Amino acid sequence: QSVLTQPPSVSGAPGQSVTISCTGNGSNIGTIYDVHWYQQLPGTAPKLLIYGNSNRASGVPGRFYGSKSGTSASLAITGLQAEDEADYHCQSYDSRLSAWVFGGGTKLTVL
Amino acid sequence: VQLQQSGPGVVMPSQTLSLTCAISGDSVSSNSAAWNWIRQSPSRGLEWLGRTYYRSRWYNDYAVSLKSRITINPDTSKNQFTLHLNSVTPEDTAVYYCARYYGGKGFDPWGQGTLVTVSS
Repeated sequence: QSVLTQPPSVSGAPGQSVTISCTGNGSNIGTIYDVHWYQQLPGTAPKLLIYGNSNRASGVPGRFYGSKSGTSASLAITGLQAEDEADYHCQSYDSRLSAWVFGGGTKLTVL
Repeated sequence: VQLQQSGPGVVMPSQTLSLTCAISGDSVSSNSAAWNWIRQSPSRGLEWLGRTYYRSRWYNDYAVSLKSRITINPDTSKNQFTLHLNSVTPEDTAVYYCARYYGGKGFDPWGQGTLVTVSS
């Protein structure tokens, strides 16, 4: 299983808000290392969404918010739109493994 | 910056998987970037495999689980880098991606992905 833990799925109706959690430990998220988030549309490569815990990548709408606290991080999406339906992955660095690590991914369904 | 992957989609068990990632808009010798290989499978999700980068000299880092089987080589003459994974088994079947890690700002961009199936 993945080093970082994400819920397998979340869902919400258009216009609503959802939050995706990413839980790590004291050798990854709980250290100085940043958390990054990626959006993966069906059949495509992941695309950088949030970098450095809370910074939106170029072209990313203001509806996407990232945060980090302790050994966890969160991605919040407000005003859900149909085009947001995708898989979302968190990523950080693990000092014990000396490796970049990912969450297992969360499938967002827009009802 | 764009990354274009090439390589075979099928590899026989026990053979070597080789994929190339051609870089445009940046340099494999950049002092600010690291060039990575990542794979994705239904059973393991996204898995970082390793990286090559230049900081006055070349460095390589590999995932511990693959260290005995993996090599990532830069090619400055063609501005590209190549993944070699030897002694493959069906468990190495996955979509393989190359990606740049730049300035501590995450993996961006990614290559288009290559589905590699290990099968006889």
